[in-house]
Amino acid sequence: AQSVTQLDSQVPVFEEAPVELRCNYSSSVSVYLFWYVQYPNQGLQLLLKYLSGSTLVESINGFEAEFNKSQTSFHLRKPSVHISDTAEYFCAVSETGGYQKVTFGIGTKLQVIP
Amino acid sequence: NAGVTQTPKFRILKIGQSMTLQCTQDMNHNYMYWYRQDPGMGLKLIYYSVGAGITDKGEVPNGYNVSRSTTEDFPLRLELAAPSQTSVYFCASSRGTSGAEQYFGPGTRLTVT
Repeated sequence: AQSVTQLDSQVPVFEEAPVELRCNYSSSVSVYLFWYVQYPNQGLQLLLKYLSGSTLVESINGFEAEFNKSQTSFHLRKPSVHISDTAEYFCAVSETGGYQKVTFGIGTKLQVIP
Repeated sequence: NAGVTQTPKFRILKIGQSMTLQCTQDMNHNYMYWYRQDPGMGLKLIYYSVGAGITDKGEVPNGYNVSRSTTEDFPLRLELAAPSQTSVYFCASSRGTSGAEQYFGPGTRLTVT
């Protein structure tokens, strides 16, 4: 069975500072990895995902995440955050091959301080 | 496209009452899901459906029922509301292929008192 661990429930960071949100996963088989973002009072929306190929994936708004198989991690980073990045971020995993359900982490609240 | 829509946005129920949370998607997705989100707990899968007429239990199905008579609609039924069902409920849909993105609705905030 797969699982996801997000160690930080809240991460406060000053505007224009860098940030890293940590995600580790557990699975006995190959996986797909996702980061979803939830802005206040909204549903989740996909930020980026790793399916195969380059281990570094990027989003359109400057976030990136790197798949590290040896460390079973998929940390999310941004070199300079904006107030508008304040949201909750969910890491998620699914096993490859056919349809596999997605398991979500408990979420990390990113609070950007002006 | 409207994407995934949910109604109502908010609802307060008394213990023992019943209600149906509505979910509709216009993307012709085969797969649909119901999640509940509780503070500090992330998302828990209640039920999912891989197509019209086919549903299956997720992690936390007790106290809920679903049906899927059309591709577009996936209502969630609470028969005897309990305080433990106070939560935010999200409906989602996807193409269902391996690695496919899930599209979420705006959520229904339910309080049972």
